[in-house]
Amino acid sequence: GAGVSQSPRYKVAKRGQDVALRCDPISGHVSLFWYQQALGQGPEFLTYFQNEAQLDKSGLPSDRFFAERPEGSVSTLKIQRTQQEDSAVYLCASSLVGQIATNEKLFFGSGTQLSVL
Amino acid sequence: GENVEQHPSTLSVQEGDSAVIKCTYSDSASNYFPWYKQELGKRPQLIIDIRSNVGEKKDQRIAVTLNKTAKHFSLHITETQPEDSAVYFCAASRNQAGTALIFGKGTTLSVSS
Repeated sequence: GAGVSQSPRYKVAKRGQDVALRCDPISGHVSLFWYQQALGQGPEFLTYFQNEAQLDKSGLPSDRFFAERPEGSVSTLKIQRTQQEDSAVYLCASSLVGQIATNEKLFFGSGTQLSVL
Repeated sequence: GENVEQHPSTLSVQEGDSAVIKCTYSDSASNYFPWYKQELGKRPQLIIDIRSNVGEKKDQRIAVTLNKTAKHFSLHITETQPEDSAVYFCAASRNQAGTALIFGKGTTLSVSS
C-alpha cells in the first residue's frame, strides 16, 4: 500500500473486554514499531519487530499487552481485560530496513483511538 | 535510557514571525534527531531530521540545529503561516537496529493571521 494502514480507526471497549488492533506496514518494510500516545502527550514506545522477531517489548505496560507479527508483515497488538488507563491512540510505524541507516525514515500510521468505558 | 525534554509546551506567534522549539536529550550515544508534525487527529509526519555528524540542516522555511556537547537541538520555522499550526514533536535515538525513537511531549504551535 501507499502508507502504513491501521484498523480500526476508532475502537470503543467496555472495561474488561479484549481488543485487537491491526497494523499493515508499508510493503517490504522490515522494522515495525508500536507506540502509545496519550492525549496531549508524545508517542511512547511499546514494542519493536524486525521481520517476525519481536526484539524489544520493554515498553509494554503490563502482561495484558501482547503483540505479534507472525509472517513478518501485518502486526496485531492485543490488549486483554482492558482498563480505562489503556485509553489512548495506538500508533504503528515502519521503516525499510532492520538497521536505521543514513536517510532511513520512520513512517507512521494514522493510529487506532481506543476508548475504554 | 534516553529522556527527551521539549520546550515550550505551547507557542503562539503572529503570521510571518519565527518560531523556535527546543529539545534536550540525556543519552550521549543518541545520534539521530527527527522532528515530526502532527495535525489534530492525524498521523505524525516527519518534517526534518538531523544526524550527529552535522550541526545544522535547512529545508526551505524550516531548519534544525544540533549541539552535541550540550545535548540539545532546536527546530526553527521562519515566516510562519497559519498552516504551520500543529503539534511538533522532537525525538532522539541511537539510530541502530531496533532502537526506538524517544519522543518529547510536544509543542502546540498556533500561528494567527
